[in-house]
Amino acid sequence: TQLLEQSPQFLSIQEGENLTVYCNSSSVFSSLQWYRQEPGEGPVLLVTVVTGGEVKKLKRLTFQFGDARKDSSLHITAAQPGDTGLYLCAGHPYSGGYQKVTFGTGTKLQVIP
Amino acid sequence: NAGVTQTPKFRVLKTGQSMTLLCAQDMNHEYMYWYRQDPGMGLRLIHYSVGEGTTAKGEVPDGYNVSRLKKQNFLLGLESAAPSQTSVYFCASSYPRLAGGSDTQYFGPGTRLTVL
Repeated sequence: TQLLEQSPQFLSIQEGENLTVYCNSSSVFSSLQWYRQEPGEGPVLLVTVVTGGEVKKLKRLTFQFGDARKDSSLHITAAQPGDTGLYLCAGHPYSGGYQKVTFGTGTKLQVIP
Repeated sequence: NAGVTQTPKFRVLKTGQSMTLLCAQDMNHEYMYWYRQDPGMGLRLIHYSVGEGTTAKGEVPDGYNVSRLKKQNFLLGLESAAPSQTSVYFCASSYPRLAGGSDTQYFGPGTRLTVL
């Protein structure tokens, strides 16, 4: 079973601060996705990264896929209360059926106004 | 266009009782999935379906059964509920995933189940 460890598990910061969330594995993935889940809702896809070293930006959010395709990071600049939620990464393998997709353990972010 | 809907939103069961969770999607997706989400464990796949009339086991299938009689519906059944099945259950759907590629999962709002 491929494991995706996310760190930190919990993060509570003040509005305007910067933060980085990490998603690490010993396995290689063909692509990696980041989802955000708000309280009482299901996860919503934010981004998919597919190339080693790839960097994608979504407004104040910057996503990077590691060169070796084993890890990823999410950086948020000037966090806003609307960024509050659970952030999940999901790794897609090169082969095999969907059952081999792995979700990370999650990072719970709270942005205090 | 409602996306993915789940019923019920909340349910409390006693040990040994049975229930069925209903998931419906209106996006004409081929693939549908059932996950459970527990604190600190992320999302774990229970069962999934790659098309009408087909189902397959995921990572944690024990104690659950599923059926996909219609393309738009995916049912998750608990025949004899146990306290270990207390969790939040999410349904998701997507288009077929190409080998080596990725897909976008569209999730429902979840069902919070408590088994006493």
